Amino acid sequence: EAQVTQNPRYLITVTGKKLTVTCSQNMNHEYMSWYRQDPGLGLRQIYYSMNVEVTDKGDVPEGYKVSRKEKRNFPLILESPSPNQTSLYFCASADNQETQYFGPGTRLLVL
Amino acid sequence: QQPVQSPQAVILREGEDAVINCSSSKALYSVHWYRQKHGEAPVFLMILLKGGEQKGHDKISASFNEKKQQSSLYLTASQLSYSGTYFCGTGEYNTDKLIFGTGTRLQVFP
Repeated sequence: EAQVTQNPRYLITVTGKKLTVTCSQNMNHEYMSWYRQDPGLGLRQIYYSMNVEVTDKGDVPEGYKVSRKEKRNFPLILESPSPNQTSLYFCASADNQETQYFGPGTRLLVL
Repeated sequence: QQPVQSPQAVILREGEDAVINCSSSKALYSVHWYRQKHGEAPVFLMILLKGGEQKGHDKISASFNEKKQQSSLYLTASQLSYSGTYFCGTGEYNTDKLIFGTGTRLQVFP
């Protein structure tokens, strides 16, 4: 089954404790992206990647890092999480940036 | 800058029509439309890549006015399953970013 998976689905952590949210897709898509969703603000792009070893900043990249060592994986790293990074995070992948397939989401709470 | 969606919310009875608009202050290369049901991930509806393009499937269609830098999503004879939040995403020239609007919440009642 074609899908985008994210782990973990729910995470509670404390300020400053490094964390990684994994994202994996099995559709051989070149394009992958991370978004955060907050009430009233819609979806905001954090980082995206056009292919392996190619990553670019989206609209809200501050406080996040990504890497794209393999085509299927695009982890999101929070080196020192802060409470303002509490949010719902979605990973997405697409072929040629057209139809984006979203993962199920990761709900993060930073205390 | 995020595109502006209007209205912010719509309440409909089954069978009624609705239009959701998406406007950008920048020249657009593409417009994407997604629907998100409560507690779920956004799901792709359609993409418009050319000015003047219109697309549709079932009773949901969209148009893209490149000159006016805006797109509209048309929902005809709405069904209960149309309920959710609709997002437009805009692609600009010379960038691979996709910027989403803040969403339009649509509720369809029997």
